[in-house]
Amino acid sequence: DAKTTQPPSMDCAEGRAANLPCNHSTISGNEYVYWYRQIHSQGPQYIIHGLKNNETNEMASLIITEDRKSSTLILPHATLRDTAVYYCIVRVARNQFYFGTGTSLTVIP
Amino acid sequence: GAVVSQHPSWVICKSGTSVKIECRSLDFQATTMFWYRQFPKQSLMLMATSNEGSKATYEQGVEKDKFLINHASLTLSTLTVTSAHPEDSSFYICSAQGIDTQYFGPGTRLTVL
Repeated sequence: DAKTTQPPSMDCAEGRAANLPCNHSTISGNEYVYWYRQIHSQGPQYIIHGLKNNETNEMASLIITEDRKSSTLILPHATLRDTAVYYCIVRVARNQFYFGTGTSLTVIP
Repeated sequence: GAVVSQHPSWVICKSGTSVKIECRSLDFQATTMFWYRQFPKQSLMLMATSNEGSKATYEQGVEKDKFLINHASLTLSTLTVTSAHPEDSSFYICSAQGIDTQYFGPGTRLTVL
């Protein structure tokens, strides 16, 4: 079962930062948080992952709270192509992913 | 980045026939691959974990005799849907375990008439 909860949908104005929250209150100490996104009828695309430190790459930033019970994915300057379903996933033993319902992000012109 | 392909990208078959879907890691070796199923407007559901050279591990509620998985090499895993029925119509997605993350294929749309 998924160990994450996310809001079902969010809107963001084009050019603005999109902040997508995720709760994972039952996460264990050695379990990583991963973020993927899925554009309609395609396979999920990897965005970023982290354990307890904040992470940044060319796509996004990941902010993990100190108690690790929640995290936020930040897309710094959202574009129309960022419209997708975003999944926050806790990687459990044997590297398995159990997807939750995700957040459908719509970037508005 | 790592690339995973699936073949075919879509398939239509008659009820009662079997369909094989291939998943390949193109530029890396994957000892572990995963198979997911996704129904319209729903999230991905993990079906099974496929390990090279050994039997797949199926999630609870997934029939292993209906969804046959073979992971014969470090770059290829196959999913065979046996005696397919209309309720098996779905989007099937595979992923391959890389060094620190899973890389997903583009998916296979199966329609059973």
